[in-house]
Amino acid sequence: ETGVTQTPRHLVMGMTNKKSLKCEQHLGHNAMYWYKQSAKKPLELMFVYNFKEQTENNSVPSRFSPECPNSSHLFLHLHTLQPEDSALYLCASSQEGHGPGNTIYFGEGSWLTVV
Amino acid sequence: AQTVTQSQPEMSVQEAETVTLSCTYDTSENNYYLFWYKQPPSRQMILVIRQEAYKQQNATENRFSVNFQKAAKSFSLKISDSQLGDTAMYFCAFYDNNDMRFGAGTRLTVKP
Repeated sequence: ETGVTQTPRHLVMGMTNKKSLKCEQHLGHNAMYWYKQSAKKPLELMFVYNFKEQTENNSVPSRFSPECPNSSHLFLHLHTLQPEDSALYLCASSQEGHGPGNTIYFGEGSWLTVV
Repeated sequence: AQTVTQSQPEMSVQEAETVTLSCTYDTSENNYYLFWYKQPPSRQMILVIRQEAYKQQNATENRFSVNFQKAAKSFSLKISDSQLGDTAMYFCAFYDNNDMRFGAGTRLTVKP
């Protein structure tokens, strides 16, 4: 238990569906992240929020829409996804943004399958 | 751009033995940080060990230690007295200038 909780753990959705992934951290951190983990590929950073402000968007398609209402919660809204978007989506948090002194704590991930 | 390479997609080791996982990286910077993360079947990413590039001494955390060769840009992880619970994916990660990058991972299986 790292203090970062993701729901749902598993999600299957059609290409025309709208769904959301939720992440909550209980560590008092100020930065939160979404990563995508595909098979046999390095972890891909998607979004970074620092003090509720989006500070990084790594060329992620608009069918992925993040939302950070406060420092403890992070959402990833999903709309008209493609089968190649099927992956494990990992939420993470750290005390501040990506920084050398800031260990990143990961959630258990939400396994997404797009059919 | 920094790249992180883990050349061993899969490895196995007998319980109680020692195994070393390799990681190389590419950077032109002098100050940076290196990490090893463990992802067991439960999928939770857990920090195993970290190393600051300005420190010459290799980091150690119980059975886990690193061999940091700055000139060679190499950052290997040694697991001593391997335990069944060490079975997991291991990711090497590099941080510099607000950018964190991960390697593709090495799947380690500890055999009884």
